[in-house]
Amino acid sequence: EAQVTQNPRYLITVTGKKLTVTCSQNMNHEYMSWYRQDPGLGLRQIYYSMNVEVTDKGDVPEGYKVSRKEKRNFPLILESPSPNQTSLYFCASSFARDLYVDYTFGSGTRLTVV
Amino acid sequence: GENVEQHPSTLSVQEGDSAVIKCTYSDSASNYFPWYKQELGKRPQLIIDIRSNVGEKKDQRIAVTLNKTAKHFSLHITETQPEDSAVYFCAASRSNTGKLIFGQGTTLQVKP
Repeated sequence: EAQVTQNPRYLITVTGKKLTVTCSQNMNHEYMSWYRQDPGLGLRQIYYSMNVEVTDKGDVPEGYKVSRKEKRNFPLILESPSPNQTSLYFCASSFARDLYVDYTFGSGTRLTVV
Repeated sequence: GENVEQHPSTLSVQEGDSAVIKCTYSDSASNYFPWYKQELGKRPQLIIDIRSNVGEKKDQRIAVTLNKTAKHFSLHITETQPEDSAVYFCAASRSNTGKLIFGQGTTLQVKP
């Protein structure tokens, strides 16, 4: 089954304790991205990657890091989480062909930083 | 930069009425426009999309229209039902990039 797998689904952590949210896709998609979703602000892109070892900042990259060492994995790293990073996070992978973008979201990770 | 504006932010309709959500995009090179529905606590799911080479597309009770000149596109839901209550997102993309720019979302409430 084609899917994007995020882990964990829920995470409560303390300020300053490094954490990683994993994201893996099995569709051989080149493009992967991370979004955070906050009430009234929609889906805001944090980072994206157009291929292995190619990453770039989205709209809200501060406080986050990513890496793309393999095509299938795109982990999101919070080196020193703060309460303002409490949010719902989605990973997505995509493939573009003709006039169509096949975009698949993960199930989401609800992060609480206390 | 690239931007998608979506209105209204909230919409409340009576069951059976129609609902319209409108989006405006800034990048004239955008050529693919999907709409997503997100139910509470779940991931966004694609419900319909439209490409720049057509002006309108319909799928049962939902339809999308695209005006490339004005850089507007809209989602129309007819005969709304309570299960249509959700957050709806529009998005725009240059299809050769795989990148979507999302609108801010519209919370639709359908009252029984």
